[in-house]
Parts: sequence; C-alpha cells; structure tokens
Amino acid sequence: EAQVTQNPRYLITVTGKKLTVTCSQNMNHEYMSWYRQDPGLGLRQIYYSMNVEVTDKGDVPEGYKVSRKEKRNFPLILESPSPNQTSLYFCASTKLGLGQGIAYEQYFGPGTRLTVT
Amino acid sequence: AQKITQTQPGMFVQEKEAVTLDCTYDTSDPSYGLFWYKQPSSGEMIFLIYQGSYDQQNATEGRYSLNFQKARKSANLVISASQLGDSAMYFCAMRETSGAGSYQLTFGKGTKLSVIP
Repeated sequence: EAQVTQNPRYLITVTGKKLTVTCSQNMNHEYMSWYRQDPGLGLRQIYYSMNVEVTDKGDVPEGYKVSRKEKRNFPLILESPSPNQTSLYFCASTKLGLGQGIAYEQYFGPGTRLTVT
Repeated sequence: AQKITQTQPGMFVQEKEAVTLDCTYDTSDPSYGLFWYKQPSSGEMIFLIYQGSYDQQNATEGRYSLNFQKARKSANLVISASQLGDSAMYFCAMRETSGAGSYQLTFGKGTKLSVIP
C-alpha cells in the first residue's frame, strides 16, 4: 500500500529538549516536504526536498532542520523546541515528472501532534 | 498578498443539497495546478480533485467538481448531494512551477463545512 508514515503521532515535550519526527514514504517519490498546520492559518511549508541531499527552506523554516540522506526518509528535527512550535505537523511526498510535475497528487502522512510546554 | 484565498471560514449545508466552496488564487505563472483537500476531524489530509491551468474542461470526481474560471482566477469546489460524512475542513491549494519553491503547494486557510441532517 502506497503511504507516508510519520512517527510519533503524538508528542508532548518540554522547551529545549531536542526531538526528531520521522517521515518515510514507500512510493519512490523525489519530492518530500514538511508542513505545520495552525488554527486559522492553514498549512504552511517548513522545508522541502527535491531529491537526496537537496533540501531548501519553505515559508516558516525558523527553528527546524531537515535532512535527506535516503530517498524514502525525510526527518524533521527541532534542536531546541519552544512553545510556539506546538502544532500539527504533516509530512508529504509527490513524484516529479518532466513538464507534468504540477499535476501529481501530494500524499500526506497522518500527522504528528506536537505540544511543547 | 495571499496566493490562495478562501473567504468562507465556515459554511452550513442541508443534507442532499449541493454546496460551493470558494477559492481564488493569485499567480503570474502560466502553468500551475489547483488542488482541493478534505480534512475530517480525524486529521488526515484527503486529496479530492485536481485542475491544471491548461485543462480545457472542469475537473470532476464523483460528487466533486471544480468550477474553474481562469480569467477570474477562481477554482471553486462544488459538492453535489451533500452527505453527513462531508462535514470537514476543506483546503484549496496551488502548485506553481516557477521560482525557488518549485512544486511547493501553497494552501488557503480552509473552509469548515458542516452538513445538517
């Protein structure tokens, strides 16, 4: 079954304690990205990756890091979480096609609900 | 300026009636794609329908259709014969191919649809 998995699904942590949210896809997609969702703001992109070892900032990258060492994995790292990073996080992936890349559906993971106290 | 505008924070519709969710977009890119996603209370993001900027006909998927008016830059989602299970948040999103954020999916803030029995 084609899917994007995220772990953990729920996490409560304290300010400053480093954490990693894992993301993995089994569709051999080139493009992966992280979003955060906050009430009234929709989804905003944090980071994205066009392929292995190629990552770039999205609209709200401050306080986050990512890496793409393997095509299937795209972990999100919070080195020193703060309460304003309390949010619902989604990982997503899509394939890139020559000239038709815009048409491909983006597959989303189930979401990770993070609370930073 | 917002790239995706959803002007209806919340809407109500009677079961079995049709409903239109509004979405306007802003882009100077000649090639772009428009997506609608559904997010039920369980939190997952469900892809509904896609419309490409060069598509001649409006997209349809079962009870979902997209009323695409390119000159007005609008891409409204029409749900026919509403069901109780349609109660959810609905997000309009756009993917552009130009610029540093190539293939980034930009989301609107969403519309919460409630279906009344």
